[in-house]
Amino acid sequence: DFVMTQSPDSLAVSLGERATINCKSSQSVLYSSNNKNYLAWYQQKPGQPPKLLIYWASTRESGVPDRFSGSGSGTDFTLTISSLQAEDVAVYYCQQYYTTPPSTFGQGTKLEIK
Amino acid sequence: EVQLLESGGGLVQPGGSLRLSCAASGFTFNNYAMNWVRQAPGKGLECVSAISGSAGSTYYADSVRGRFTISRDNSKDMVYLQMNSLRAEDTAVYYCAKALGLRINFDSWGQGALVTVSS
Repeated sequence: DFVMTQSPDSLAVSLGERATINCKSSQSVLYSSNNKNYLAWYQQKPGQPPKLLIYWASTRESGVPDRFSGSGSGTDFTLTISSLQAEDVAVYYCQQYYTTPPSTFGQGTKLEIK
Repeated sequence: EVQLLESGGGLVQPGGSLRLSCAASGFTFNNYAMNWVRQAPGKGLECVSAISGSAGSTYYADSVRGRFTISRDNSKDMVYLQMNSLRAEDTAVYYCAKALGLRINFDSWGQGALVTVSS
């Protein structure tokens, strides 16, 4: 089974500072035939559904601020918020969609303001 | 504008059944795979079922296989989740989400429907 493990479980960062969230997959999500990493990041604010931020590990969804970026390949991935804003307080999830559905999510990382 | 609107949630006794519906609009429905993702209170996300755009392929998480059935009606732009033999651990908000394929990220989500399984 594909297991996605995020770290840390929670994170407190000062406004304007960098926030980094990690995601590790139990198996590689890099598909060799197209050299794409089947990895997405979502943001979920309280009382709202998740919102897509990043797909193919590093492609920003339309309308997502450029302070959000994704990196990594194979089994290790990172979501970085370059300068934390108050509206970025949320829970962040990684998702692998490499396998036959259903896909799997990490356990989530709760981001707060320090 | 893309819209996904879930309905059919509610309170049901253990062992009971419930059918969730998701009405889609704003996109070419049969071009998209559809997914049901649930979130237990205070917990993370679990994808429980997926269906291809043509309805030719369906998938289930081990936790619901044999109890839940996903289906879609492309003439009505609707996707359904029939839930039988419900258990307390099925209590969750259920979201429908669309994806451009079966092995593609979810690009839009509905607001969710709460299912509570309790006596």
